[in-house]
Amino acid sequence: DSGVTQTPKHLITATGQRVTLRCSPRSGDLSVYWYQQSLDQGLQFLIQYYNGEERAKGNILERFSAQQFPDLHSELNLSSLELGDSALYFCASSNEDGQYFGPGTRLTVT
Amino acid sequence: QKEVEQDPGPLSVPEGAIVSLNCTYSNSAFQYFMWYRQYSRKGPELLMYTYSSGNKEDGRFTAQVDKSSKYISLFIRDSQPSDSATYLCAMIRTGTASKLTFGTGTRLQVTL
Repeated sequence: DSGVTQTPKHLITATGQRVTLRCSPRSGDLSVYWYQQSLDQGLQFLIQYYNGEERAKGNILERFSAQQFPDLHSELNLSSLELGDSALYFCASSNEDGQYFGPGTRLTVT
Repeated sequence: QKEVEQDPGPLSVPEGAIVSLNCTYSNSAFQYFMWYRQYSRKGPELLMYTYSSGNKEDGRFTAQVDKSSKYISLFIRDSQPSDSATYLCAMIRTGTASKLTFGTGTRLQVTL
């Protein structure tokens, strides 16, 4: 158990809908990262927050947004969902020893 | 061409064998290197983290970094069936706020 928690574990929704994925980092970690893992693209960095502020952006679609709250938990919002958004979404938090991943949320868009 | 190249496998070895997993990279700005193990449908688990050339050992695992050749390796000694998983290398470029760039992963199968 990495100490990073993510909810929900699974999400099934229809095209055009909006969903919110939630992440709680390990105790004491200020950074939160979001990654997407799909069969054709592998693990891709989406966005990073550090202590409530956006620190870095990857190839995150404009339909996706994220935020980190004062208690350091983070949410990833995905809107106008398309079939191609079906993937595993991972959250990670880090300290000087490395980045630790949560169990992921499996999103299926039908 | 991808920034990080990793042979996808699958790699099949008998129990007890020494496994060698490798990644190459093209950008010398990559300075921090990690190896993750991922079981099917689970989150990646950090195995090794290193940032200098040379070897780092942890139990049955040894990570090796050769920055001059832009080549990293993970060795697994006395491999077990429980080591069957996908192994991902990941790297951090300096000045990129610690975002990880991953290889595609190598699927390893350790057979009895």
